[in-house]
Amino acid sequence: QKEVEQNSGPLSVPEGAIASLNCTYSDRGSQSFFWYRQYSGKSPELIMSIYSNGDKEDGRFTAQLNKASQYVSLLIRDSQPSDSATYLCAVNFLSNQFYFGTGTSLTVIP
Amino acid sequence: ETGVTQSPTHLIKTRGQQVTLRCSSQSGHNTVSWYQQALGQGPQFIFQYYREEENGRGNFPPRFSGLQFPNYSSELNVNALELDDSALYLCASSRDGGRQETQYFGPGTRLLVL
Repeated sequence: QKEVEQNSGPLSVPEGAIASLNCTYSDRGSQSFFWYRQYSGKSPELIMSIYSNGDKEDGRFTAQLNKASQYVSLLIRDSQPSDSATYLCAVNFLSNQFYFGTGTSLTVIP
Repeated sequence: ETGVTQSPTHLIKTRGQQVTLRCSSQSGHNTVSWYQQALGQGPQFIFQYYREEENGRGNFPPRFSGLQFPNYSSELNVNALELDDSALYLCASSRDGGRQETQYFGPGTRLLVL
């Protein structure tokens, strides 16, 4: 059974703080990992992808991957109210078959 | 905007009816995946089409079926609708069938079954 687990939250952080979102996955053979953001009533939009162990930075976002621990995280620096959304972790277990977690709801308080 | 389009945006059906949802993939993409997202849940993989062939299927019954056309657009058909089929249906396209290909989502079709 392929599983992707996230803390459902809600996670609340003050504006300007760092938000930390976590995800664990069950299949050690997984190779591709993605973070999507989903605003209420909208479809998921890609934030970033990560394939290798370590950190990957893109603007205010940093994805971290640890394959040995089967763990991937997303850090959002200088959080803004516009970052308030549900963040979905997706893992590519086989070919292009993505498995998603249930998402973590983030609220950034002005 | 991802370039992936879906139609219709909203749909209301009654139990037992059939529905067809449509998706146009982003230019240059030959792979389309369909997902069902119930309220408060993450998207659940239904199936994927790669170059007009089904390329994997999730844990959905046979009344969920699909098709991909030569221009790589796709349809999702659901027969004998049940109340639990009420959800947001998402289509995602990707450039190829490789394991590192990013999927880009369309705006979704919200289906309500009464």
